[in-house]
Amino acid sequence: GAVVSQHPSWVICKSGTSVKIECRSLDFQATTMFWYRQFPKQSLMLMATSNEGSKATYEQGVEKDKFLINHASLTLSTLTVTSAHPEDSSFYICSARPPGNEQFFGPGTRLTVL
Amino acid sequence: GENVEQHPSTLSVQEGDSAVIKCTYSDSASNYFPWYKQELGKRPQLIIDIRSNVGEKKDQRIAVTLNKTAKHFSLHITETQPEDSAVYFCAASIHTDKLIFGTGTRLQVFP
Repeated sequence: GAVVSQHPSWVICKSGTSVKIECRSLDFQATTMFWYRQFPKQSLMLMATSNEGSKATYEQGVEKDKFLINHASLTLSTLTVTSAHPEDSSFYICSARPPGNEQFFGPGTRLTVL
Repeated sequence: GENVEQHPSTLSVQEGDSAVIKCTYSDSASNYFPWYKQELGKRPQLIIDIRSNVGEKKDQRIAVTLNKTAKHFSLHITETQPEDSAVYFCAASIHTDKLIFGTGTRLQVFP
């Protein structure tokens, strides 16, 4: 199956700082990647759709100026949480989809904001 | 937009029994319905999926049924084993595009 990686796997930062999370498709090209957020004991919530070479599409209620998404190549999308606060602490998971195929998920990044 | 409801939120069964999890969706345009198993701190793992042109699909102990008219789909696990214990999520999407997840079911299988 297709492989998606994320880096870092976990990060702890101070309130007010920015954190960048990388999502890579290792063995396929992905024109579209997706970013999800999962709070403890809750479901995965779609944050945005990342489109290679164009602006991301954000879901209702997700602040695009706070969660910056850059899909600079066919194998890399980045999510930057700007001016992070404790309420941004969560499990962030990306997924990528080979054309015509199902989504493959990254291993997730656990963000803790102190 | 799409809304997916999932029941029950928790399910406890004895090893060897069957488990059934049900989901309903709201958008009749949805045509792809995957089921995921997620263990604590791990990524969701696709266990089975079904597309709207099929009413039922089976893979060993796991089966999924879809009723397009009622906008219902269900996951059936037979002969449950302790290693089936996890959180299960249903989801719906259009052509494997953005996934809208159900609220999850915590399945516990007791030996």
